Order: sequence, then C-alpha cells, then structure tokens
Amino acid sequence: DQQVKQNSPSLSVQEGRISILNCDYTNSMFDYFLWYKKYPAEGPTFLISISSIKDKNEDGRFTVFLNKSAKHLSLHIVPSQPGDSAVYFCAAEETSGSRLTFGEGTQLTVNP
Amino acid sequence: ETGVTQSPTHLIKTRGQQVTLRCSSQSGHNTVSWYQQALGQGPQFIFQYYREEENGRGNFPPRFSGLQFPNYSSELNVNALELDDSALYLCASSLAVGNEQYFGPGTRLTVT
Repeated sequence: DQQVKQNSPSLSVQEGRISILNCDYTNSMFDYFLWYKKYPAEGPTFLISISSIKDKNEDGRFTVFLNKSAKHLSLHIVPSQPGDSAVYFCAAEETSGSRLTFGEGTQLTVNP
Repeated sequence: ETGVTQSPTHLIKTRGQQVTLRCSSQSGHNTVSWYQQALGQGPQFIFQYYREEENGRGNFPPRFSGLQFPNYSSELNVNALELDDSALYLCASSLAVGNEQYFGPGTRLTVT
C-alpha cells in the first residue's frame, strides 16, 4: 500500500530551465508535506515543506504547490542548476508527527 | 554543532545473525526515528523514540527493536537477519516529536 507515490523515477533538464517533480498521495489524513534532497552517501536533507492549509510555498528557487482535491503536490525548481542533481523525495505526515511516509524518489539530473 | 552521526558506515552480515546499528542525535534533540531504505525505494519508517520510550512503530516485525539512551543516542537491533534486510538504515533526530527531522548519512547493511 504505497500511500505516497512519485511516478517518475528520473528527470533530466537543462541548466537554467525549470524542473518540475511530481508526487501523489492517497491518505486523506496527511496534513503536512515535505520535500527532501539526497546526494549519494549522505542522508536526506530537508528542502521545503507545505501545510495542508496552504496551496503554495516558496523559498528562493524552490516552490511547492499543493492540490488537495487532487491529492497532488509538485516541486518547481527554477532556474535549475547542476548542483541540484540529486534524488528528490516527497514525504508526508499526519498531525501526530511521529512518522514520515516517503515516496520512491525521483533522480533529477541537471545538464550544464 | 554536530549533526546526526551513524556507525558503522557499512556492514556485512550473514543470514540468521544479529546486528546493532548506532546513532548519535544532533545536540539537544530528544526524538529519534529510524528508517529502512531498500534499493530503489524511499525510506520506510521503522519506529520512533521520544525520551527513551517508543513513540510509534511502522510495519516491521518484532525482530526489529530499538533503544534510546539518556543522552538520546539510539540503537537499532535486528535479530535473525534475512536477505531482504539488506538496505540503507537511516536515523533522524528532531528537537521534539513533530519537529523537522535531521537525517544521518545511514548505515549500509548487506546480508549474504
């Protein structure tokens, strides 16, 4: 039962263009959503989050959009940079906050 | 400020053996969560400890057990290892339950 799904295992974009990573969820009890970035041999690092009471959150080059009715969120990176190349995980949690439920991850490659 | 550290980095065990993985939380953090990340998958929640008590458990069998010590460092123990236990084991600490989780680099366990 995969409650958080990232359907694209990989994404390749040119430097300077927009990267859009997508995530779908099924559990209506999720009310907080996060994106993590992971480089090889490192643990995931927090990137940006959004509460279910919002539909957009922006932090510099990173913007997360939440569509609750569609149970869909997306991460936009603009402009994309080669250093953004990493695996991106979408994660969700319920109010209790005791656990994160992760998607499978999307490998983003930004080509110079 | 020291981040989350885990030991060992890599480990090879034989099926049926037992293993102990260790995690040192970030300074001041009283909550630690453990995750298993199988190849090509996102991290899966194993359990969380808050002030030395288990505070939530994922869908893992009882042979996965944990401990949190008074200094908030933590151990993950796995008995009767199976081949499917081969994975990256991630530890994450947070200031309190529900706060942002900071991940360590993980321990790569290989069961042969």
